Amino acid sequence: VLTQPPAASAPLGASVKLTCSLSSGHSGYAVAWHQQQPQKGPRFLMKLNTDGSHRKGDGIPDRFSGSSLGTERYLTISSLQSEDEADYYCQTWDTGIWVFGGGTRLSVL
Amino acid sequence: QVQLVESGGGLVKPGGSLTISCAASGFTFTDYFISWVRQPPGKGLEWLSYISYSGGGTYYADSVKGRFTISRDNARNSVSLQMNDLRAEDTAVYYCARGDDWGDYWGQGTLVNVSS
Repeated sequence: VLTQPPAASAPLGASVKLTCSLSSGHSGYAVAWHQQQPQKGPRFLMKLNTDGSHRKGDGIPDRFSGSSLGTERYLTISSLQSEDEADYYCQTWDTGIWVFGGGTRLSVL
Repeated sequence: QVQLVESGGGLVKPGGSLTISCAASGFTFTDYFISWVRQPPGKGLEWLSYISYSGGGTYYADSVKGRFTISRDNARNSVSLQMNDLRAEDTAVYYCARGDDWGDYWGQGTLVNVSS
């Protein structure tokens, strides 16, 4: 249902756009983005709607934003910092079930 | 502030049972579903189960249906996951999360190790 590239990288201070691809039968689904830093529990970043509007979690910096296009859901992180090096998971839901993408490991170079 | 704290993990033999718990604070507990999600070592997140506000509605992933049981005690602001017939592939860090459609707060996890 949700496909994510396993890895991404970008230099310190740059921007990166992470992709979550929904299967064609789920093109109308919103997703949530979560960040998991090494040895920590996940942290909710935002809920991202099909029209690209998004609602961020408490304390999430403005550097994190989301957008949508068709079956693609994007997480953009600007002005990359070392603490952004983490695994990023997208997640969607249906009645009685949650589904996670496989996650993208972001390296900050 | 919102806090979710898991406990009860440990080493258990294959075929054994274990109950893990999630203690919640900092919010009105009965206003939220609570979910369990696990992460095997070096792997991604897998949703397991969630429970509705009153506990009257429970949902399970196929991988644990019939073996795991979720319950909540609203008087104690806690949720439990009873796990039976444990297998090596159940070895993982188990997280609880607040929310029905997505988890907006997560705990730090408790490690369950199924090994002989």
